[in-house]
Amino acid sequence: EAGVTQFPSHSVIEKGQTVTLRCDPISGHDNLYWYRRVMGKEIKFLLHFVKESKQDESGMPNNRFLAERTGGTYSTLKVQPAELEDSGVYFCASSQELAGYTDTQYFGPGTRLTVL
Amino acid sequence: QKEVEQDPGPLSVPEGAIVSLNCTYSNSAFQYFMWYRQYSRKGPELLMYTYSSGNKEDGRFTAQVDKSSKYISLFIRDSQPSDSATYLCAMRGTPIQGAQKLVFGQGTRLTINP
Repeated sequence: EAGVTQFPSHSVIEKGQTVTLRCDPISGHDNLYWYRRVMGKEIKFLLHFVKESKQDESGMPNNRFLAERTGGTYSTLKVQPAELEDSGVYFCASSQELAGYTDTQYFGPGTRLTVL
Repeated sequence: QKEVEQDPGPLSVPEGAIVSLNCTYSNSAFQYFMWYRQYSRKGPELLMYTYSSGNKEDGRFTAQVDKSSKYISLFIRDSQPSDSATYLCAMRGTPIQGAQKLVFGQGTRLTINP
């Protein structure tokens, strides 16, 4: 079974440009999460989708970040315009919904974003 | 103050040693506790998942939770060079609380020397 995949693995852009990150969750997982780790800090939650709906977006830093999940399958995270402080590793995770409780979150390899 | 505190290390021990990794937390709403292992340039990989206070063992790994002290530990017995990685503690509340997001510690970088 394929795991969570993310594309690209690494992106280098200049301040003010736009970048779109993509995540493909494990097939059948209704829950999809985005997390981010900036250098020297802990991994922090950004938002949570249940199918195509945003369940919790309390971690989104500002309105330069836009997340979508088309048809409840893959998700994209767009940063527009990118700022220097957006540099970091962006992780996607997915989990099943089982009999009233949420299963383990499985993480993708991450996208390393560098904003120059 | 961070919700989850974890000593970032680095921690370096000889092969075969017992390793103890720890996290403390301040939010009593946390009910589920996890340890993830992350190799360089990879995503976090789940090692242990516990709910109740007490010990849970899986091979060379033992996870310990003390909810009264808000303290969790991961023990690695007979450590191997392949255990060299960053170990992340993570925790969350119950779905009823709408808290499915994971809150992570900073991670401890561990090196096992042959």
